[in-house]
Amino acid sequence: GAVVSQHPSWVICKSGTSVKIECRSLDFQATTMFWYRQFPKQSLMLMATSNEGSKATYEQGVEKDKFLINHASLTLSTLTVTSAHPEDSSFYICSANPLDSRTYEQYFGPGTRLTVT
Amino acid sequence: EDQVTQSPEALRLQEGESSSLNCSYTVSGLRGLFWYRQDPGKGPEFLFTLYSAGEEKEKERLKATLTKKESFLHITAPKPEDSATYLCAVPQGAQKLVFGQGTRLTINP
Repeated sequence: GAVVSQHPSWVICKSGTSVKIECRSLDFQATTMFWYRQFPKQSLMLMATSNEGSKATYEQGVEKDKFLINHASLTLSTLTVTSAHPEDSSFYICSANPLDSRTYEQYFGPGTRLTVT
Repeated sequence: EDQVTQSPEALRLQEGESSSLNCSYTVSGLRGLFWYRQDPGKGPEFLFTLYSAGEEKEKERLKATLTKKESFLHITAPKPEDSATYLCAVPQGAQKLVFGQGTRLTINP
């Protein structure tokens, strides 16, 4: 149980274009989903917290107009990187906290490798 | 501010050589401590949650323990497939998790 998927698993795009990454909870519902960014040999950096039906909460220093997050249902959240630049190249990982969970456990997707050329 | 510090940053062991990873935390009111395993190029995999000092949990060759200031992840007779980065995290605020920097564990055959 508690499986989270991400699509695509990797993507290459040209500078200036936009890329959408999907995060789905497959066998549970999630009121809250999280988006992280990870650089090589570094830990996870939380970008934003996404709540179903409401605006995402972004961490300090994360540009909300560049990283658009939509959480339209209890099983789907999307991250759109707008006007991507090479410095946006990174490993993006989502996670979800089950709706009926009484704990803070998060279950992670497999990640999406974004390369901007 | 809540902080999580893991040590060592990297650990290289021979197959069968037992050891421990450390996670020190400073939080106001612990609401759980989480251990994850992350393989290269993949998302973290949930391992354990610990809630109170003295609590222990086991899974195969891994055992996690918790005190009031730190948690240990003991690995007994490790195998090469145990090689990964191990992350610990604590809740912060209403929903977020604060992660340590991780320990990169390498088990040589």
